[in-house]
Amino acid sequence: DQQVKQNSPSLSVQEGRISILNCDYTNSMFDYFLWYKKYPAEGPTFLISISSIKDKNEDGRFTVFLNKSAKHLSLHIVPSQPGDSAVYFCAGEIQGAQKLVFGQGTRLTINP
Amino acid sequence: DTAVSQTPKYLVTQMGNDKSIKCEQNLGHDTMYWYKQDSKKFLKIMFSYNNKELIINETVPNRFSPKSPDKAHLNLHINSLELGDSAVYFCASSQRDIALGNTEAFFGQGTRLTVV
Repeated sequence: DQQVKQNSPSLSVQEGRISILNCDYTNSMFDYFLWYKKYPAEGPTFLISISSIKDKNEDGRFTVFLNKSAKHLSLHIVPSQPGDSAVYFCAGEIQGAQKLVFGQGTRLTINP
Repeated sequence: DTAVSQTPKYLVTQMGNDKSIKCEQNLGHDTMYWYKQDSKKFLKIMFSYNNKELIINETVPNRFSPKSPDKAHLNLHINSLELGDSAVYFCASSQRDIALGNTEAFFGQGTRLTVV
């Protein structure tokens, strides 16, 4: 039972353009959603999060949008840079549950 | 100075062996975790410890036994290793972000376990 799904295993974007990574979830109990970035041979690192009571959170080049009615969120990166090439994981959290439920990740490649 | 460190980074072993993976965090966090990333790349929680006490055990076989000697350490011992245990195991620790409200987890670099 996959509560968080990232249906695109990979995405290629040209440098300078916008990257949009998508995530769907089924558990309406999630209070927060988080995006993690992972480089090869490293652990995931926290990127940005959004509370379930908000529909947008922005941090520099990164913006996360949440559509609760569609149970869908997306991460926008603009402009995309070569250093953004990594695997991006979406995760949901139920406050107090002390665990993150991850999607399977999307590999983003930024082409020069 | 590494925040969450786990050793070894790579582990190749034969079926039936017993092995341990060690994890240490120097962030002062109360909660530590073990996650498993399987061949399909899903990152799934295995265990969660808060102040040395087991909080979450996600139906992991009892061949896997976590041990937390103190809140800065969470080791994972695996008995009678099976081929299906081959995966990347990530240790993590977390602290609730008072400003944001969510829990930000910090991950180690992972241990790639290969059972042959």
